[in-house]
Amino acid sequence: EAGVAQSPRYKIIEKRQSVAFWCNPISGHATLYWYQQILGQGPKLLIQFQNNGVVDDSQLPKDRFSAERLKGVDSTLKIQPAKLEDSAVYLCASSLVLVAYSTDTQYFGPGTRLTVL
Amino acid sequence: DAKTTQPTSMDCAEGRAANLPCNHSTISGNEYVYWYRQIHSQGPQYIIHGLKNNETNEMASLIITEDRKSSTLILPHATLRDTAVYYCIVRGEYGNKLVFGAGTILRVKS
Repeated sequence: EAGVAQSPRYKIIEKRQSVAFWCNPISGHATLYWYQQILGQGPKLLIQFQNNGVVDDSQLPKDRFSAERLKGVDSTLKIQPAKLEDSAVYLCASSLVLVAYSTDTQYFGPGTRLTVL
Repeated sequence: DAKTTQPTSMDCAEGRAANLPCNHSTISGNEYVYWYRQIHSQGPQYIIHGLKNNETNEMASLIITEDRKSSTLILPHATLRDTAVYYCIVRGEYGNKLVFGAGTILRVKS
């Protein structure tokens, strides 16, 4: 079974530029998550999708971050404009759960390491 | 969701059992204890979870105290590949949200 795919693996940009990350979840997984992991810290949930609807985006800085999952499969996370403090690893995860607010195992991708100069 | 407390780091000799403690004194009756680990440059990996009873799978064992205020993850025969950050997470019955702390850095040494 293929795992969660993410691209690119690494990205370096200047502050105020924009950047986009792509995630392809495990086939058949209804729920998709984006996490931000700053160096030395645990991952922090940014946004959770159930199929193509948003379940939780309470921690997403909506003035600069946006995410979409148009067809309920793959997803993109965008930052525009980027700040120095956005330097982090952006992790995508998916789970099978078909009903929002139920417990299921999350499977993580390898992440995209973003450096903002 | 209840908070957890874990040691910052631990060392373990290769081939020996690694016992990773976690305190979750404010856990409520319907909250589960989950363990994930994160090997360098990889995403977190699910290990095991439990509610009240001890659990075992091919990766590890989870021992939960009777009062459920603490738990221990046991890797029975640690290898160098088990060097990672281990996260103990308390998770509600209804809610897929994982709230990660800083975790425990486990270093397995030969």
